[in-house]
Amino acid sequence: EPEVTQTPSHQVTQMGQEVILRCVPISNHLYFYWYRQILGQKVEFLVSFYNNEISEKSEIFDDQFSVERPDGSNFTLKIRSTKLEDSAMYFCASSEGGTGIEKLFFGSGTQLSVL
Amino acid sequence: QKEVEQNSGPLSVPEGAIASLNCTYSDRGSQSFFWYRQYSGKSPELIMFIYSNGDKEDGRFTAQLNKASQYVSLLIRDSQPSDSATYLCAVFIYSSASKIIFGSGTRLSIRP
Repeated sequence: EPEVTQTPSHQVTQMGQEVILRCVPISNHLYFYWYRQILGQKVEFLVSFYNNEISEKSEIFDDQFSVERPDGSNFTLKIRSTKLEDSAMYFCASSEGGTGIEKLFFGSGTQLSVL
Repeated sequence: QKEVEQNSGPLSVPEGAIASLNCTYSDRGSQSFFWYRQYSGKSPELIMFIYSNGDKEDGRFTAQLNKASQYVSLLIRDSQPSDSATYLCAVFIYSSASKIIFGSGTRLSIRP
């Protein structure tokens, strides 16, 4: 069964460093998402991406965040200058469409620890 | 006002009984509703989705939607210890381009 894959599974970084989290969405999916989950808290929407541009972003997704689809398969989330509060599990997700009736499938996540 | 609300639990149910999980949402334009299961340290896994008012059954799971009351629920029949997890209610927000918003989840514990 097709799945969303994320790398790395764990990332440890120093505060102020840049990190790039990588995702390979399901191949025929057109909508891509990043969510994050701080330990013990809810899954929070960060950004949605369609047709090579951002469709929607939350207030969490400030100027230190960016997303990119550098080629036909990868979808990346970059955090330019990490802060302690960026420590969280980051989930990539994809869906066939964006009308709301399509199912959202999640990758296994990248646990980001900022020291 | 929170967009998607759930009782955080924990909800403790004996094995073999029916577990009932509830969720309310604030955006009347919401079109579709999802239930995800999340085991500790793992990613959310879709178990049910519903778009129309009424009930939708899939195996031991039944999703119920009442758009007039802005209420969606999940029933788990014949609860098993493996059902012990956090259940996340998610709602597609129609007013946005494409965004699914999650509730904070209900922790379910099935006791043998």
